[in-house]
Amino acid sequence: KAGVTQTPRYLIKTRGQQVTLSCSPISGHRSVSWYQQTPGQGLQFLFEYFSETQRNKGNFPGRFSGRQFSNSRSEMNVSTLELGDSALYLCASSPSTRDYEQYFGPGTRLTVT
Amino acid sequence: KNEVEQSPQNLTAQEGEFITINCSYSVGISALHWLQQHPGGGIVSLFMLSSGKKKHGRLIATINIQEKHSSLHITASHPRDSAVYICAVTSGSRLTFGEGTQLTVNP
Repeated sequence: KAGVTQTPRYLIKTRGQQVTLSCSPISGHRSVSWYQQTPGQGLQFLFEYFSETQRNKGNFPGRFSGRQFSNSRSEMNVSTLELGDSALYLCASSPSTRDYEQYFGPGTRLTVT
Repeated sequence: KNEVEQSPQNLTAQEGEFITINCSYSVGISALHWLQQHPGGGIVSLFMLSSGKKKHGRLIATINIQEKHSSLHITASHPRDSAVYICAVTSGSRLTFGEGTQLTVNP
């Protein structure tokens, strides 16, 4: 089986712009979670989707949003980018919300200038 | 206080040494994870455990639910083990992470 894929791998944006990141889970996995990793805050949970529904959301402003499609692929969007949004964004998939083991993608490194 | 605390933050060892990384947590959990992150960012799940002990090659993970503590041991460490090791707990349906332990194994 192919692993979790994320596109793009690297992205440079300017303050005030918006960005959309994509995550394709392992085939058959229906749960997708998103995480932000920064040097200062470490890894933090953004949100989790299962069957096209957001099941859980971390403590991030409304500028961070996401969605999941019927094929389980997920996108996350950040609007009105700030310098502090520069981070590695990771997604992880699992077969269901009851399967706690998560399989991580390679991440998208976003730089905001 | 963080819900997941790891120690040490940094660890330097000589090849062949036995290594222990500790993790303490303060919340109720469904599972505890040990993750490995190499430079470049990719994260690999090493172990997921909810009780007892697991072993995979030179790696051993243990958890004490009553004490809310877990340890990751690496036997006969090798330079390729150099990475950041992250403890995370599943509480509810989300992962909460420790700050990670930067391990450097010198030849």
